[in-house]
Amino acid sequence: GAGVSQSPRYKVAKRGQDVALRCDPISGHVSLFWYQQALGQGPEFLTYFQNEAQLDKSGLPSDRFFAERPEGSVSTLKIQRTQQEDSAVYLCASSADRVQTQYFGPGTRLLVL
Amino acid sequence: EDQVTQSPEALRLQEGESSSLNCSYTVSGLRGLFWYRQDPGKGPEFLFTLYSAGEEKEKERLKATLTKKESFLHITAPKPEDSATYLCAVLGGSQGNLIFGKGTKLSVKP
Repeated sequence: GAGVSQSPRYKVAKRGQDVALRCDPISGHVSLFWYQQALGQGPEFLTYFQNEAQLDKSGLPSDRFFAERPEGSVSTLKIQRTQQEDSAVYLCASSADRVQTQYFGPGTRLLVL
Repeated sequence: EDQVTQSPEALRLQEGESSSLNCSYTVSGLRGLFWYRQDPGKGPEFLFTLYSAGEEKEKERLKATLTKKESFLHITAPKPEDSATYLCAVLGGSQGNLIFGKGTKLSVKP
């Protein structure tokens, strides 16, 4: 079956612009995670959804970051008033359950100029 | 605080030269240790999950092992196509998210 997909794959934004990143999880996966990966680093947790409920947003770096999953499937990560330090790869992962193996999408590479 | 440390940061091997990658961890209540492979410009690709000390899993030239404090990823007779960054992550008792190490960048020369 299809894996996790993300769009766009690349995004260039001017500082101060708002951006929206989309994640389509594996069909039927209840759990959805967003991670941020800086160059040369491992992914770092941002937020977690179980179906449509956002159960953990402890990793979101500021109130400029907002995520939603209104129908328990597709998720959107929104970054308002982007800053240069937001430049990174944003990874989405899904799993059948919170403690099961997480499968990752290809990521969205965000560059803020 | 849950923490994962991987070593070495980079490893260069000749084709056929076996070696091991290390992942040391501290976590309260380990619920799983995961190995992923990541190629440049791509997302992490799942390799193995280990749940308890003494457990081993194999896939082609890769073998993962787990103790109470660390995990090893053994690569036997590697090929150039094994070149990638290998990420280790743990799932702890109170968290639902993975805690990742920084990865080991493996280069295998023909």
